[in-house]
Amino acid sequence: EPEVTQTPSHQVTQMGQEVILRCVPISNHLYFYWYRQILGQKVEFLVSFYNNEISEKSEIFDDQFSVERPDGSNFTLKIRSTKLEDSAMYFCASSDGRTSGDYNEQFFGPGTRLTVL
Amino acid sequence: QKEVEQNSGPLSVPEGAIASLNCTYSDRGSQSFFWYRQYSGKSPELIMFIYSNGDKEDGRFTAQLNKASQYVSLLIRDSQPSDSATYLCAVKGDYKLSFGAGTTVTVRA
Repeated sequence: EPEVTQTPSHQVTQMGQEVILRCVPISNHLYFYWYRQILGQKVEFLVSFYNNEISEKSEIFDDQFSVERPDGSNFTLKIRSTKLEDSAMYFCASSDGRTSGDYNEQFFGPGTRLTVL
Repeated sequence: QKEVEQNSGPLSVPEGAIASLNCTYSDRGSQSFFWYRQYSGKSPELIMFIYSNGDKEDGRFTAQLNKASQYVSLLIRDSQPSDSATYLCAVKGDYKLSFGAGTTVTVRA
């Protein structure tokens, strides 16, 4: 069964460093998303991406964040200068864009745990 | 006002009982609603979606939607220890899913 994959599973970095989190969405999907979940808190939307551009972003997704689809398979989230409060689990998701009944299941990857020291 | 609110839990039920989970949402224009299950340290996994008022059944799970009351619920019948997890209610906007904080369910053997 197709699945979303993410690498690395755990990333440890020093405050102020840049990190790139990588995702391979399901191959025939058109919409891509990043969410994050701080330990013990709810899952929060960061950004959605369609047709090589951002379709929606949250207030969390400020100038230190960027997304890119550098080739036909990968989808990346870059955090330019990490802060302690960026420590969280980051989930990539993808969907195929069907809009029948406005149903559009988002399939989640296993996540990357980011620890900022 | 929080976009999506869930009963805080935790909820402990004996094996074989019914677990009842509730969710309310603030955006009256919302059309699609999802229940995800999340095991500790894992990613959300879709259980059910619903977008029409009324009940929708899938195996031991029943989702109920009342758009007039802005209320979604999930019933888990014949609860099993493997159902022990956090259940997340999510409401779809244009693109994003807005999640509630989740309700943790423990099924006692």
